Amino acid sequence: EVKLLQSGGGFAQPGESLRLSCAGSGFSFSTYAMTWVRQAPGKGLEWVSCISGGGADRYYADSVKGRFTVSRDNSKNILYLDMNSLRADDTAVYFCGKDWSSSPWGYLESWGQGAPVTVSA
Amino acid sequence: SVLTQPPSVSGAPGQTITISCTGSDSNIGTGHHVHWYQQFPGRAPKLLIYADNTRPSGVPDRISASKSGTSASLDISGLQAEDEADYYCQSFDTALGGSYVFGTGTKVTVL
Repeated sequence: EVKLLQSGGGFAQPGESLRLSCAGSGFSFSTYAMTWVRQAPGKGLEWVSCISGGGADRYYADSVKGRFTVSRDNSKNILYLDMNSLRADDTAVYFCGKDWSSSPWGYLESWGQGAPVTVSA
Repeated sequence: SVLTQPPSVSGAPGQTITISCTGSDSNIGTGHHVHWYQQFPGRAPKLLIYADNTRPSGVPDRISASKSGTSASLDISGLQAEDEADYYCQSFDTALGGSYVFGTGTKVTVL
């Protein structure tokens, strides 16, 4: 059974940093691209970032480019999202998702449980 | 969001409802697949349909979807109380170097 267990997140002040983690199990982690999606309170889903299975290819939404960094440790089966220079509009629940293949741009077969991030002064 | 959905759709138990997803020539119109997700309040989204009209294992066959031109649609027949949730379409957009794009989301209410 595919499982994605998220950790991290929490509360930060504007300008601060947070790290999200997403541990995968039940599948060959390095074989699949992984994606981060967020959902602001009461809003819809917004793509944040994705990374190829091997980690060589990384992509970001314009809203987070230059501030967020996606990475993965395939030896530990963990996906990361390092969030710097946080802003109030980064407040959201962040979900990790397992793509259907080693390259992104398909669909998300499985999702983590979500990690809330609140940015406020 | 570059994919537009109606904010809400409602129906009585047993009825059929349709959720539309309207895109453009930079996403659905280029032939990129459309996928659909179901989300209950406070929960993670769940894949409902992939590659325009394919159901993952475990999704009932009263759920179906189609795509034409720059739009797609999700049909739920034999509406049940358990179908009350938010639904999102998703595709790929070639503008600005490429990105996942999600629909605006539709709240389904079972009357």
